[in-house]
Amino acid sequence: GNSVTQMEGPVTLSEEAFLTINCTYTATGYPSLFWYVQYPGEGLQLLLKATKADDKGSNKGFEATYRKETTSFHLEKGSVQVSDSAVYFCALSPNDYKLSFGAGTTVTVRA
Amino acid sequence: EPEVTQTPSHQVTQMGQEVILRCVPISNHLYFYWYRQILGQKVEFLVSFYNNEISEKSEIFDDQFSVERPDGSNFTLKIRSTKLEDSAMYFCASSAQGAPSNQPQHFGDGTRLSIL
Repeated sequence: GNSVTQMEGPVTLSEEAFLTINCTYTATGYPSLFWYVQYPGEGLQLLLKATKADDKGSNKGFEATYRKETTSFHLEKGSVQVSDSAVYFCALSPNDYKLSFGAGTTVTVRA
Repeated sequence: EPEVTQTPSHQVTQMGQEVILRCVPISNHLYFYWYRQILGQKVEFLVSFYNNEISEKSEIFDDQFSVERPDGSNFTLKIRSTKLEDSAMYFCASSAQGAPSNQPQHFGDGTRLSIL
């Protein structure tokens, strides 16, 4: 079946630190991969996506590269801000109608 | 920017009662979804809906659950005879086209359902 495993949190960082959240997946075929973010009190927002191997998704300073050989889609940001404090979800879709989510990683950035 | 809206934000219901969660998807979207997140667990897919019928559902989505698009704007999830384990955050989502890789799913802020 399809599944996503992401690193457990919570993660606490200082402003301007480097952030990495690991995500690996198991899927049949060639899924599309996503990172969603949930800010406090809000719904899930698409942060970035990649639809095929070696694609790099990027948005708001975040990046993730679709690595088929390691079945990974790690999220990175070079210099985090307090406003990046949120829960981050890795997700995949094997090109059908549903998203399969990881457990979510809570990130707290301190000033 | 258009958004998916869900009401109510928090619903408290006695066990055994029926509950209807409401969603207004983005107006030109054609595909609609419900997900749920039990506290401390993953976000789980429940059902997808297109052209007035269910296109896919998970094993969670049993006869206790139903979805409906009663008019041109609302999309509802009905849970009959609620159980304690139905307590969760329920998210509605919509997308312009199918296959999320082409058109991303836009999520509402969720309805927190508490069964007493």
